[in-house]
Amino acid sequence: AQTVTQSQPEMSVQEAETVTLSCTYDTSESDYYLFWYKQPPSRQMILVIRQEAYKQQNATENRFSVNFQKAAKSFSLKISDSQLGDAAMYFCAYRETSGSRLTFGEGTQLTVNP
Amino acid sequence: DADVTQTPRNRITKTGKRIMLECSQTKGHDRMYWYRQDPGLGLRLIYYSFDVKDINKGEISDGYSVSRQAQAKFSLSLESAIPNQTALYFCATSDRNRDLGDEQFFGPGTRLTVL
Repeated sequence: AQTVTQSQPEMSVQEAETVTLSCTYDTSESDYYLFWYKQPPSRQMILVIRQEAYKQQNATENRFSVNFQKAAKSFSLKISDSQLGDAAMYFCAYRETSGSRLTFGEGTQLTVNP
Repeated sequence: DADVTQTPRNRITKTGKRIMLECSQTKGHDRMYWYRQDPGLGLRLIYYSFDVKDINKGEISDGYSVSRQAQAKFSLSLESAIPNQTALYFCATSDRNRDLGDEQFFGPGTRLTVL
């Protein structure tokens, strides 16, 4: 079974600085999708960024980018120019290409200090 | 104009009571999911449905049942609630016809407390 691990329960960053959240996963599949979801205090789950495993290029969405290391099974999220509104719980998630089930990591609580 | 709605948003109940959480969606998606979120454990899949006649157990289905009344409605029931079912419950939907990694769209969540 696939597993997703986020080894940082909590992280903090100063406003305008850069922070990297870590995620590792375990799978025997060669093709799959990886996601980062953000959960602010409102509880809403919001998709931040998506990476397809067959694509070597790292995904980027404005201030959010990933460092996808397929061989190492690592999928970290970098937030540049951190803003107060980035404070949230962040979840890494995995999905097989052939299925729809998401497997989530434990989450990382990000605090942004003014 | 919420695309995925959940009712109730918050619920407190007692041990042994039957409770139903409801999910409705206007996105026209065929796939629907129920997850529970616990601190330190992330979200875990309870049940999922690919269409009205296709319902599947997730990794933690014991103590839960579901009903897919229509393409747009997917309900989660706790037949006899117990305190360790206290959690945040999310409904999600996805569209198998999308070619963008089958993104799942989440409802606002239901906070359930079992006393």
